[in-house]
Amino acid sequence: GENVEQHPSTLSVQEGDSAVIKCTYSDSASNYFPWYKQELGKGPQLIIDIRSNVGEKKDQRIAVTLNKTAKHFSLHITETQPEDSAVYFCAASTSGGGNKLTFGTGTQLKVEL
Amino acid sequence: SAVISQKPSRDICQRGTSLTIQCQVDSQVTMMFWYRQQPGQSLTLIATANQGSEATYESGFVIDKFPISRPNLTFSTLTVSNMSPEDSSIYLCSVALGHHSYNEQFFGPGTRLTVL
Repeated sequence: GENVEQHPSTLSVQEGDSAVIKCTYSDSASNYFPWYKQELGKGPQLIIDIRSNVGEKKDQRIAVTLNKTAKHFSLHITETQPEDSAVYFCAASTSGGGNKLTFGTGTQLKVEL
Repeated sequence: SAVISQKPSRDICQRGTSLTIQCQVDSQVTMMFWYRQQPGQSLTLIATANQGSEATYESGFVIDKFPISRPNLTFSTLTVSNMSPEDSSIYLCSVALGHHSYNEQFFGPGTRLTVL
């Protein structure tokens, strides 16, 4: 089955700096890669996603890049703000596997003033 | 997207008892899922809740321990049976608006379960 690795497990940045979280996946049949933000005491919130036929996608301060050859994808947050502090999870879904998501281990992002 | 609610939001239970968690969606959805998130950990899929038929369980999860119902396209329940402290987790339902791998999936707020 699919295996998703995520790094780093914790990330501390200064307000206004950029943050990058990286994930690798094992199944070359994976074709959908969402990112979720989970704030304390809440369920995961979908913030951006990318399909395998696209190399990059941007939405205001966040962007996701995908390298299918290397089987890795990354989340980029620019101009970080204190409200960006949360746990971020990457995930992968495999063609033919329905909607089953395999999640990475999570990154605790802390944006310091 | 979809608005998803779960009941209860949290509970503290005694070992050996069972708890049923409800998931309600504000619109009809194709797919519903149940996940477990152990303290400080990632999310693990328990099962896919199939409307009108038995749920499809992932490796390591069995129907006797986690019976699931889905009587219609907007509602599902997960029961955690014969609980032990190891069952203390956040239980999350999620929904997808289609059955393709690239359909967006949205999560409910979770049910925080503590077993004493």
